Amino acid sequence: KQEVTQIPAALSVPEGENLVLNCSFTDSAIYNLQWFRQDPGKGLTSLLLIQSSQREQTSGRLNASLDKSSGRSTLYIAASQPGDSATYLCAVDYGQNFVFGPGTRLSVLP
Amino acid sequence: DGGITQSPKYLFRKEGQNVTLSCEQNLNHDAMYWYRQDPGQGLRLIYYSQIVNDFQKGDIAEGYSVSREKKESFPLTVTSAQKNPTAFYLCASSIVGVTNYGYTFGSGTRLTVV
Repeated sequence: KQEVTQIPAALSVPEGENLVLNCSFTDSAIYNLQWFRQDPGKGLTSLLLIQSSQREQTSGRLNASLDKSSGRSTLYIAASQPGDSATYLCAVDYGQNFVFGPGTRLSVLP
Repeated sequence: DGGITQSPKYLFRKEGQNVTLSCEQNLNHDAMYWYRQDPGQGLRLIYYSQIVNDFQKGDIAEGYSVSREKKESFPLTVTSAQKNPTAFYLCASSIVGVTNYGYTFGSGTRLTVV
């Protein structure tokens, strides 16, 4: 069964810290992996998409890496800000549909 | 601006009532999806459609129905057979056959049984 897990489930850090969110998947035959941000009561906003042939993608203070062989992806957030507070979800594209992780709820304290 | 529009934002359903959630996109995407989100859980796929007049069941299709009469529209009906419909419903779309594109999501509909 294709499963996606995310660790930690919740994280609280002071402003300015660099942090890492983890995503693991059981089936490595992926097309893409996509990281999303979700604010309370809102839809999902795409942050980064990594194709299966890529090792990492960067956008501003965000960097996502992918290691297909070990079934892992990490999202690195540099110099965190209170506005980064949200739930971060990773989603693995297996071709027919995406399988989502449960998310990491991030709180950045001023 | 292109995007996905879900309506209504909030919906209340009485016991035994069918309700329909709207999802419209102007991105010219081929595929559309419906997901259900419950607190503390990941998104679960209800139905998806990759082409007009065709759709497939996802992991939790029981108690739901869909139609895809137009490329732009993929409405979801929550029937009285769905015993626990209170949840946040998200619609998404993507381009079929393009591996570096990913999903675009709407802003969601929160359904509550009263």
